[in-house]
Formats: sequence, structure tokens, C-alpha cells
Amino acid sequence: DQQVKQNSPSLSVQEGRISILNCDYTNSMFDYFLWYKKYPAEGPTFLISISSIKDKNEDGRFTVFLNKSAKHLSLHIVPSQPGDSAVYFCAASALRDNFNKFYFGSGTKLNVKP
Amino acid sequence: ETGVTQTPRHLVMGMTNKKSLKCEQHLGHNAMYWYKQSAKKPLELMFVYSLEERVENNSVPSRFSPECPNSSHLFLHLHTLQPEDSALYLCASSQERGLYGYTFGSGTRLTVV
Repeated sequence: DQQVKQNSPSLSVQEGRISILNCDYTNSMFDYFLWYKKYPAEGPTFLISISSIKDKNEDGRFTVFLNKSAKHLSLHIVPSQPGDSAVYFCAASALRDNFNKFYFGSGTKLNVKP
Repeated sequence: ETGVTQTPRHLVMGMTNKKSLKCEQHLGHNAMYWYKQSAKKPLELMFVYSLEERVENNSVPSRFSPECPNSSHLFLHLHTLQPEDSALYLCASSQERGLYGYTFGSGTRLTVV
């Protein structure tokens, strides 16, 4: 059973506009969330995180919003740039023990058109 | 060399072959992971090693056998694989509880013929 879902497999946005990538989760124990970005032929790279004590975290053009009651998070990229074209994965974890077990969504492929 | 390095980048093997995937991290992390990425599916956690001990084995078939000889190296030994095992295999590492996420390698693209 998939605990983290990204229901949009792809998204196309014009350069300079906002990109909004969505992610839903089912496990109410999840309290730490990450977004990763993946280019072809490369491994995913960490982009931004948020813990459940916050509802927003911002880093430059990237902002992650968390709605705990809806079990939903989103990644906003503004303004979008062609170099942002990649696959974006969200991941969720319940902090425990001596490591984090992250559950990943299936990814959303973002295409930013010049 | 820094980061997480995986070799080989590409591997084609027959169903009767035995091969190994290698992962090496130079980040001083103390946890290492194997993930499988199949087309249009979420990343699937296969194995977790924390402080060189296997702490997670996600019902992975025995034809996949991990080995972690030290905190910097992780192997995935493969034997008698099936065509459906063809996928991208990603290694990752993290420090402590992975609060800053994982650092992933570039993956090994495996094709079983």
C-alpha cells in the first residue's frame, strides 16, 4: 500500500511562472518530509525539508507547505526556470531509532518551457 | 572523491549470471541504503544498514543479497535474477537519523535478459 502519493505524473509550466507540485500521505505518524530533485542519469538530490512543527519552509525560489490536517504537502517554485526541469520526489518519514525510513512518492516530471 | 559512488553505471546480465553492485560513500555517514526504482513506481526501500548492521529487509527476494563490510562500502550481490528485476538500483547514505535526508548515488541501471 502506497503511503506517499504524487498523483500528477507530469507538469508543464512556462518559464517565470509558478510551479506547484503536490504530494499526499496516508500515515498520520509521518512527521518529517523531504523533496528531492532528479535529473536523468543522476541520483536524486535533496532539495528542501519540513518537519511537522512547521507549516512552511522557504529556501530561495523553493517553498514547501505542509497541511497536516489534510495530510498534504506541496512544493512551490517561483519563478520557474528551464533548469528546474526534472523529476521531483516527495518523501515522508516518522523519526525513530537511529535512522530514518523514508517512503517516497512515484515522482512528478516537471517541464519548464522557455 | 566525495559523495556516493556506485559502480557499474550500467549492467546487463543473464538470468543465470552472478554479479555484484558496489556502493562507496566518502561522507562519514553511518547508515547506508539500497533502493530500487522501477518505471513509474515509487522508490522502493530494499535494505538498510545502520552502523554496519542490517536493520531493515523489506521482504526482498533472496536472489538479492546485501553486504556491508564497513561503514563506507555497501554491496548488492545478484544471482538468478528475473527480467522483472530490471530497474535502476540506487544506493544512499545518511548521517545519524538522516535529518537532512539521504545522499544518493547516481544508480546502476540493471537489465536482466
